[in-house]
Amino acid sequence: QVQLQESGPGLVKPSETLSLTCTVSGDSINDIDDYYWSWIRQPPGKGLEWIGYVYYTGSTTFSRSLKSRGTMSVDTSKSQFSLRLSDVTSADTAVYYCARGRFRYPRIGVTGYYFDYWGQGTLVTASS
Amino acid sequence: QSVLTQPPSVSAAPGQSVTISCSGSSSNIGRNYVSWYQQFPGTAPKLLIYENNKRPSGIPDRFSGSKSGTSATLAITGLQTGDEAEYFCGAWDSSVSGVFGGGTKLTVL
Repeated sequence: QVQLQESGPGLVKPSETLSLTCTVSGDSINDIDDYYWSWIRQPPGKGLEWIGYVYYTGSTTFSRSLKSRGTMSVDTSKSQFSLRLSDVTSADTAVYYCARGRFRYPRIGVTGYYFDYWGQGTLVTASS
Repeated sequence: QSVLTQPPSVSAAPGQSVTISCSGSSSNIGRNYVSWYQQFPGTAPKLLIYENNKRPSGIPDRFSGSKSGTSATLAITGLQTGDEAEYFCGAWDSSVSGVFGGGTKLTVL
């Protein structure tokens, strides 16, 4: 059974950097299958916002709105992947989820992207 | 504002059926597959439907998904009180990003 677990500080001061790690168990993070280790967040009382994903090779794709402030990395030896978001503001206060993303390409020009396993989520509050 | 549009809430009585809509555009739902997630308060979302209409192992066939044009629909039949939750749709957008709907709260009266 695949399990993901987020870890990191629950409180970050404005203008500082949010740093989270997701530990994966029950699966190989460097499986060459179509797994894209993803981050998603949910502000209190609001909907889901896609942040981005990191592939086991280290290549990343970020949300346009967060690209300038974010970095992601993967450590296959520890079965972990990480998110860093710099210069945080109160707008970054949210529950942050890590998830296993999967891509499917049934035919040219068609993409299926979904998240089959999720971490329990961790609340990060940006406040002084 | 979410890229995909869902009604904020729907309701129905136990045993009845309900549908939840998800509207997008030609850059996301119009060309790509849709997924659906169920979220109970204080817990992580759970995958219900992927690739428009496929159910992961363990998801009852009371849950079904469909897509037409730039809209998708989640249907739940034989409603149970335990289905009361928030439901989100998701898809890939050709702008190279994942997108979600704002969520629909299902109330089972």
